[in-house]
Amino acid sequence: DQQVKQNSPSLSVQEGRISILNCDYTNSMFDYFLWYKKYPAEGPTFLISISSIKDKNEDGRFTVFLNKSAKHLSLHIVPSQPGDSAVYFCAALAELEYGNKLVFGAGTILRVKS
Amino acid sequence: DAGVTQSPTHLIKTRGQQVTLRCSPKSGHDTVSWYQQALGQGPQFIFQYYEEEERQRGNFPDRFSGHQFPNYSSELNVNALLLGDSALYLCASSLKQGRTEAFFGQGTRLTVV
Repeated sequence: DQQVKQNSPSLSVQEGRISILNCDYTNSMFDYFLWYKKYPAEGPTFLISISSIKDKNEDGRFTVFLNKSAKHLSLHIVPSQPGDSAVYFCAALAELEYGNKLVFGAGTILRVKS
Repeated sequence: DAGVTQSPTHLIKTRGQQVTLRCSPKSGHDTVSWYQQALGQGPQFIFQYYEEEERQRGNFPDRFSGHQFPNYSSELNVNALLLGDSALYLCASSLKQGRTEAFFGQGTRLTVV
């Protein structure tokens, strides 16, 4: 049961344009979401997060939008740079009885062409 | 601040063998979680340790076990290795209290032959 889905395996964008990465979730109990970026041979690095009490969170070139009714979030990167080429993971924080865990999507490979 | 460090970075083992992976959390973090990332998939939660006890466990068999030490570092042990255990194993550290992001190590690439 895939509770977090990233339906686009890959995305190619021209340098300077906007990159939009999408993510859907099925569990309405999720109320905190994170985006991670991963380069080859490195671990995921945190990018930005959003709580369900907000519908938008911005940090520099990165903005995350949350649509709770649609159970959908998106990551916008403006402007896109070649260094942004990486795998992007959407994750939901699942609160458990004695702790928590991150539930990840399968990832989207972003290629920014110069 | 060294961040989360994992060792070794790469490992090749034979089916049926046992393996131990190690993780040192980010300074100040008290909670360690382990994830398995198979090729083309997102990381899958194995278990979480806090105060030297396993607090939560994902859908992994008992062949996967762990330990957390008083200095918050952690080990992941896998017994009776299967070919399907070949994956990138990621350690993440965080704070128990509050909603803070988890910091990941670079991972250990395990290949079972």
